[in-house]
Amino acid sequence: ETGVTQTPRHLVMGMTNKKSLKCEQHLGHNAMYWYKQSAKKPLELMFVYSLEERVENNSVPSRFSPECPNSSHLFLHLHTLQPEDSALYLCASSQDPYSGTQYFGPGTRLLVL
Amino acid sequence: AQKITQTQPGMFVQEKEAVTLDCTYDTSDPSYGLFWYKQPSSGEMIFLIYQGSYDQQNATEGRYSLNFQKARKSANLVISASQLGDSAMYFCAMREGNTDKLIFGTGTRLQVFP
Repeated sequence: ETGVTQTPRHLVMGMTNKKSLKCEQHLGHNAMYWYKQSAKKPLELMFVYSLEERVENNSVPSRFSPECPNSSHLFLHLHTLQPEDSALYLCASSQDPYSGTQYFGPGTRLLVL
Repeated sequence: AQKITQTQPGMFVQEKEAVTLDCTYDTSDPSYGLFWYKQPSSGEMIFLIYQGSYDQQNATEGRYSLNFQKARKSANLVISASQLGDSAMYFCAMREGNTDKLIFGTGTRLQVFP
């Protein structure tokens, strides 16, 4: 398998649920990213990991918790979300966080009820 | 101030015709990179083309070319010989200097009709 994969592709959850989004990159990259895409808003960078260390946290609420166990995998743990958190969550990777082109996965469409 | 501006919310083009999608940017950093991505309805952001601020020539990738006008701070995407499969959202993005942030515009929805 090549590129960046994300699971699940669709997720519906209640406000009291706990769920996790998974991202895997098969490109040998060293940096991984989480973005949020809400309707009619530009993509918002949430988190950046470089060589498994978090280098960016863009004032994201604590109900979103990222985890990067190795350079190929990135998780986004979700708990007690709000309806306004409903969005498309996109994962990306690049060779390094400061100069490489970012390649995106297909995203997870999240609906919070 | 917005760093990336895409003024065309929607564009229509007939199959086989060329189309230009506008993008202007704002930065005081002499080193930056400009990107275009395509997002079909499936959601995936597909990288199309890259232009570095120091590149002397306009970038080209197949049917995609980037009309880079540095003095005007514009980086328009030109798609030649449009195909029905080109119908999608198109996003312009910029990275300033050695940062890890890609700043995206609000996108242009392109619809190609037969």
